[in-house]
Amino acid sequence: AQSVSQHNHHVILSEAASLELGCNYSYGGTVNLFWYVQYPGQHLQLLLKYFSGDPLVKGIKGFEAEFIKSKFSFNLRKPSVQWSDTAEYFCAVNANTGNQFYFGTGTSLTVIP
Amino acid sequence: ETGVTQSPTHLIKTRGQQVTLRCSSQSGHNTVSWYQQALGQGPQFIFQYYREEENGRGNFPPRFSGLQFPNYSSELNVNALELDDSALYLCASSSMYGSSYNEQFFGPGTRLTVL
Repeated sequence: AQSVSQHNHHVILSEAASLELGCNYSYGGTVNLFWYVQYPGQHLQLLLKYFSGDPLVKGIKGFEAEFIKSKFSFNLRKPSVQWSDTAEYFCAVNANTGNQFYFGTGTSLTVIP
Repeated sequence: ETGVTQSPTHLIKTRGQQVTLRCSSQSGHNTVSWYQQALGQGPQFIFQYYREEENGRGNFPPRFSGLQFPNYSSELNVNALELDDSALYLCASSSMYGSSYNEQFFGPGTRLTVL
């Protein structure tokens, strides 16, 4: 079975600091990778996705993620965070041949003004 | 384009009761997936419906069942409720075709409390 690990459970940053959230998955086949964000009081929204091609993908609001196949990782990055980035971030994996999504436990990001 | 909607928003039940949660998929989507999100956890896949049939199931017991209707809306039914069923239940819709294949759009969820 697939699994997703997000090692940072809670991250606190000051505005303008750089962000990197880790995501590792376990699955030997081809995968689709996603980062979702959940702002306080709102539902899950897609930040970015990787299906194939360029392993560096850019999403909304200045976020990007890099797929490193050899490390089974899909880390999320943002060069300069804003207070409005305070939210819960979830990494998700879906096998290319399947329909089941596996989510990590989430990382809570707090950005201090 | 309307998004994914879920009803009710909140629900309180007691152990042993049955509950039905509802989901309307986003316009143009033909697939609905249901997830359980316990407090402090990520969403866990319950099952997916496509063309009114179950199209994959996670590690949940048979007392979790579902339906999909011709208009692609869906229901999640849970029988014999247990305290551990208390969670946020999320519905996500997606399309099996086109450039947005397998990109899931989530609803706001139904918060179920079992006492």
